[in-house]
Amino acid sequence: GEDVEQSLFLSVREGDSSVINCTYTDSSSTYLYWYKQEPGAGLQLLTYIFSNMDMKQDQRLTVLLNKKDKHLSLRIADTQTGDSAIYFCAEIPFSGTYKYIFGTGTRLKVLA
Amino acid sequence: EADIYQTPRYLVIGTGKKITLECSQTMGHDKMYWYQQDPGMELHLIHYSYGVNSTEKGDLSSESTVSRIRTEHFPLTLESARPSHTSQYLCASTLTDGAMGTEAFFGQGTRLTVV
Repeated sequence: GEDVEQSLFLSVREGDSSVINCTYTDSSSTYLYWYKQEPGAGLQLLTYIFSNMDMKQDQRLTVLLNKKDKHLSLRIADTQTGDSAIYFCAEIPFSGTYKYIFGTGTRLKVLA
Repeated sequence: EADIYQTPRYLVIGTGKKITLECSQTMGHDKMYWYQQDPGMELHLIHYSYGVNSTEKGDLSSESTVSRIRTEHFPLTLESARPSHTSQYLCASTLTDGAMGTEAFFGQGTRLTVV
């Protein structure tokens, strides 16, 4: 079945790097995504990676993809208090239904 | 900036009342979705639509119903609210572009409390 797992909580100090991990089961997805949800808001797309890439860098964000282990990670460099939020990884399995499968979410808390 | 709107943002209502949660998008997206988000953060798909007059039930069984009479509008209705319906409801829409992936745009959510 389709399943996307994440650790529930991560706490880091301001200025440190954060690494949020995700494992998924369906390898048919063309893209894998990271979304951010700030308190009281909906989700917003942070970044995505094409499934035939190993790494994508976008300013402070680095996405690493290990297709063999079905493991996706998001690294946030120089983490700021404004990065405190819930982060979801997601995929759209190639089933023709265009249904997102969201991870369980990781709550990142940045300590000043 | 996402052009998808949900109303109301917060709703406290008594048991047995009928409620409709509104969701509208001005981006012309054909696909729209309703998610229920429990306090543990996890998102559960409860309804989706591929276009006008198309609605499907999602992965989590829900007593709510939806309609899609217009492309831009995807309301969710609970005929008789119960305390177990207390949750955050998120509406989303997508535009499928094979070259760039499929970005989902989310509304701000409706936090529903049934007392």
